[in-house]
This record gives sequence, structure tokens and C-alpha cells, in this order.
Amino acid sequence: DVKVTQSSRYLVKRTGEKVFLECVQDMDHENMFWYRQDPGLGLRLIYFSYDVKMKEKGDIPEGYSVSREKKERFSLILESASTNQTSMYLCASNPTAISYEQYFGPGTRLTVT
Amino acid sequence: SQKIEQNSEALNIQEGKTATLTCNYTNYSPAYLQWYRQDPGRGPVFLLLIRENEKEKRKERLKVTFDTTLKQSLFHITASQPADSATYLCALDSNYQLIWGAGTKLIIKP
Repeated sequence: DVKVTQSSRYLVKRTGEKVFLECVQDMDHENMFWYRQDPGLGLRLIYFSYDVKMKEKGDIPEGYSVSREKKERFSLILESASTNQTSMYLCASNPTAISYEQYFGPGTRLTVT
Repeated sequence: SQKIEQNSEALNIQEGKTATLTCNYTNYSPAYLQWYRQDPGRGPVFLLLIRENEKEKRKERLKVTFDTTLKQSLFHITASQPADSATYLCALDSNYQLIWGAGTKLIIKP
């Protein structure tokens, strides 16, 4: 079974802090994604990566950056956390076309106070 | 504008009945559409993918239809069980990305 793990299930940070969310997949997938999920809204793509050191902006990249130094690991960075970044963050991966079946981690619920 | 819509209200179904969830979209021309299940506090789990040239797809008690003329997909769970209670998300491909609906919460009552 594909396993996607995220570094934290719950995280509480203060406004202005730099926040790192880490995601690791164990199936040698090419593509990795970061989404945020808010009530009443569909998942929104923040960034994705189709190869090591390669990244593409999604629909809502402002206030975020990413890093992919190794194939299995994709990190999301909030440079200066703000309260409107309080959300559920979901990491996903897939082996083939970007928009084919995606495998998700359990999510990190981030609260910024 | 482009939209993908799922019923925002929870759907309550009696155990044993068929549950039908709807996904409507406008101003997209997806080559395929996917359905996922999401339990509270968990990430979505892939269920089914249906292509534009497929009218129907089945997997065990699940059935998905895709009508590109109506711009609609229907997701059916037959012989529903309380364990089927979850939020179900549809997603379609557009410009090499997945576009997601907000999901419909399904509650199966014993």
C-alpha cells in the first residue's frame, strides 16, 4: 500500500512564525502536491512538484513556498504565518499524470493565533 | 466562470437503500472524473475514475455515471451501510490539475 505521512497531525503557531510542514511518500512517486482544505471549499492546490528540485505554483501559492530536495520528501513552508492560513493541509502523491489518482496523507490541522 | 458543485447539505439515507450523490460542473471539458471518500480528520481516499467515453463504471457496491452532455456525474452506493457514512468528493481534470468539489456528507442511518 502507498503510504504518505505528514510530520504533524495538529500544529499551533503564532502569527509571524516560520512554519514547516513535511510530507514523505514511500512509493517512489514522481509527483507530489500540497493542498489546503477549508469548510465549504474544495481542495485548493498550493504547489506541486513533478521531480526533485522542480516545482510549479498551484492556484493559491501566495504566502507559501516549497522544497523538494529528495524524491520522497516534499516540504511546505509558511514564511510568516498569518491567521488566514489556519486550515487543514493535505499532502498527496501520484506516480503518473498529475491529474490521475492521488494518494493522500492524513493531513495537518494548522492553527495560527 | 468555471464551477464544480456538489450538494452542500448532508444526505441522510436509511441503511440498505441506495445513496445517490451528484457532481455538476460548468465550463470545463474534463477527460475524466474521479470520486474520493474522506473520513473526518483524514485525507481523501480514491474510489473510482471514469473517462469521458465511459457512461458507467462499477466497483463492488459503487457505481459512477458520467454524462458529458449534462455535465454531470452521479455516484451511487447500493445496499448502503452505516460504515459508508463519510464525505464524498468529486474531482475533474483541467489543464493537467485536479479541480475539486467541496464534497457531500453522507449519513447512513441504521
